[in-house]
Amino acid sequence: EDQVTQSPEALRLQEGESSSLNCSYTVSGLRGLFWYRQDPGKGPEFLFTLYSAGEEKEKERLKATLTKKESFLHITAPKPEDSATYLCAVRLGGSQGNLIFGKGTKLSVKP
Amino acid sequence: DAGITQSPRHKVTETGTPVTLRCHQTENHRYMYWYRQDPGHGLRLIHYSYGVKDTDKGEVSDGYSVSRSKTEDFLLTLESATSSQTSVYFCAISDGLAGHNEQFFGPGTRLTVL
Repeated sequence: EDQVTQSPEALRLQEGESSSLNCSYTVSGLRGLFWYRQDPGKGPEFLFTLYSAGEEKEKERLKATLTKKESFLHITAPKPEDSATYLCAVRLGGSQGNLIFGKGTKLSVKP
Repeated sequence: DAGITQSPRHKVTETGTPVTLRCHQTENHRYMYWYRQDPGHGLRLIHYSYGVKDTDKGEVSDGYSVSRSKTEDFLLTLESATSSQTSVYFCAISDGLAGHNEQFFGPGTRLTVL
């Protein structure tokens, strides 16, 4: 069964304390892995797309990496405004672009 | 922000009543999706559309129907709402072109079925 698992469920960091979020997947025919940020009461906001193992994307304090079985979202020197839930999704092969989402990691960054 | 609006943004209704949620886009994207988001679950796909009048079922389609008569509008209908359909509903769009598979989400509709 196609599955996406994110860990940890919740992460509390001090401002400036770098860390990583994990997204592991068991799907056949991966056609893209996506990271989103979701603030309370809002829709998910697109961050990155990764397509092949070894690929990396960066945006401000965030860097996403991809291997054959998992992706990491690295957060360097986070700030309180980075607090949000981060969602990972994978696009299946042979579909109409349908995504399977993980349950998310809730990140809290304290000043 | 991608031009996606959802209406209504909040709705409270009673069990057994019909409910229609609307998603409107100004991006002329081919693909449109309806998801629901519940505590303890990831976003789950209800229905999607790959063109005008072309729709298909997602993972959790029971109790829901959709229609797309224009590129810009995608309607989600609960024929007879149940308490288990209390959720936050998100619409998403994608142009589906090669190298542009990301989906962009609307602000959501919070539906409460009493």
